[in-house]
Amino acid sequence: KAGVTQTPRYLIKTRGQQVTLSCSPISGHRSVSWYQQTPGQGLQFLFEYFSETQRNKGNFPGRFSGRQFSNSRSEMNVSTLELGDSALYLCASSLGGLAGAGDTQYFGPGTRLTVL
Amino acid sequence: QKEVEQNSGPLSVPEGAIASLNCTYSDRVSQSFFWYRQYSGKSPELIMSIYSNGDKEDGRFTAQLNKASQYVSLLIRDSQPSDSATYLCAVINTGNQFYFGTGTSLTVIP
Repeated sequence: KAGVTQTPRYLIKTRGQQVTLSCSPISGHRSVSWYQQTPGQGLQFLFEYFSETQRNKGNFPGRFSGRQFSNSRSEMNVSTLELGDSALYLCASSLGGLAGAGDTQYFGPGTRLTVL
Repeated sequence: QKEVEQNSGPLSVPEGAIASLNCTYSDRVSQSFFWYRQYSGKSPELIMSIYSNGDKEDGRFTAQLNKASQYVSLLIRDSQPSDSATYLCAVINTGNQFYFGTGTSLTVIP
């Protein structure tokens, strides 16, 4: 079974621009979560989508948004980029069923975003 | 109070020793617990999951869960230099959301 894929793997943007990152989950997984990771920081949760609906949201400004399509693929958008947005952006997919017991998150390789 | 707390380390152990990594969680009703390993510049990879009290062994790795104490640990036996990485503890809470600790950095010294 193919793993989680993310595109692009590397991205360089300048301040003020916007960026869209894509994530394709493992086949059959309906939940996609997005995380930001900066050097020395843990995984900072951005949001989770399940069945095309945002189910959970972290504490990030409105410049960070996402969506999920009917095939469970997800995109994350960051508008008006700032230098501090430079990070590794990870997505993780899981079955996403209720109760959570037996569910597991699997991570994609990440997109490394550099803002100049 | 954070959902998941880990000692950030760094933890250093000599090659061949046992490395012990610890994690506590705040949601008493949590049912699912995970350990991930993350090498520098890479994404986290799942090592083990554990759902019931007690020990679960997989090769050189043993996860231990104590729900009464809200404590989960990971033991790595016969530590190898290739085990040097950051280890992340994760918990699914009652809201069906994954929470990750900030990770413990492990260095295995040859």
